[in-house]
Amino acid sequence: DTGVSQDPRHKITKRGQNVTFRCDPISEHNRLYWYRQTLGQGPEFLTYFQNEAQLEKSRLLSDRFSAERPKGSFSTLEIQRTEQGDSAMYLCASRPVQVLGGETQYFGPGTRLLVL
Amino acid sequence: AQRVTQPEKLLSVFKGAPVELKCNYSYSGSPELFWYVQYSRQRLQLLLRHISRESIKGFTADLNKGETSFHLKKPFAQEEDSAMYYCALPLLPTGANNLFFGTGTRLTVIP
Repeated sequence: DTGVSQDPRHKITKRGQNVTFRCDPISEHNRLYWYRQTLGQGPEFLTYFQNEAQLEKSRLLSDRFSAERPKGSFSTLEIQRTEQGDSAMYLCASRPVQVLGGETQYFGPGTRLLVL
Repeated sequence: AQRVTQPEKLLSVFKGAPVELKCNYSYSGSPELFWYVQYSRQRLQLLLRHISRESIKGFTADLNKGETSFHLKKPFAQEEDSAMYYCALPLLPTGANNLFFGTGTRLTVIP
């Protein structure tokens, strides 16, 4: 499968614990995005990278959230001191930079987080 | 600020019937609009973009700037069209091309 992959697919944790998710984008894609999706809602943008640079962060990304993409390939999203409200599906997407715009983002399967 | 409204959370139609999934938006400037689809147990994927003006799986969507709408239409629904559909546009400010999604419409095609 040459698509976007995410690991783990499911994560159950206790409130207050730290969790880390990984995203491997499509290899030639230099833009990588993180979204969060809660029940009954569409995906909400969290942050995005162009290569290794984190260029934009949403107000949804509190201080407990941190994302990295150290070598411009895979990315990690860490949530510290998890809260029950962090329970959601975390989606990763990637796309190549296109001169003419066009937002064909390729999504991974997501990591479903449940905070007890 | 931008807004995407999908007024129907659930929509059921019979196989062979026409289907229209509504999307209204508000946006500063000229938006680029998208429909994404998520079939059962599959990942979210692009269905179509308004700039392409193409028909994908029999679906079309026309951008109506006067009504600020981008409704998704198909003349004859098929069972395999049952899925979750999201309307989306670029999140302001543009340049980053992050997406702002509506809340989605779950389409069920009844055999």
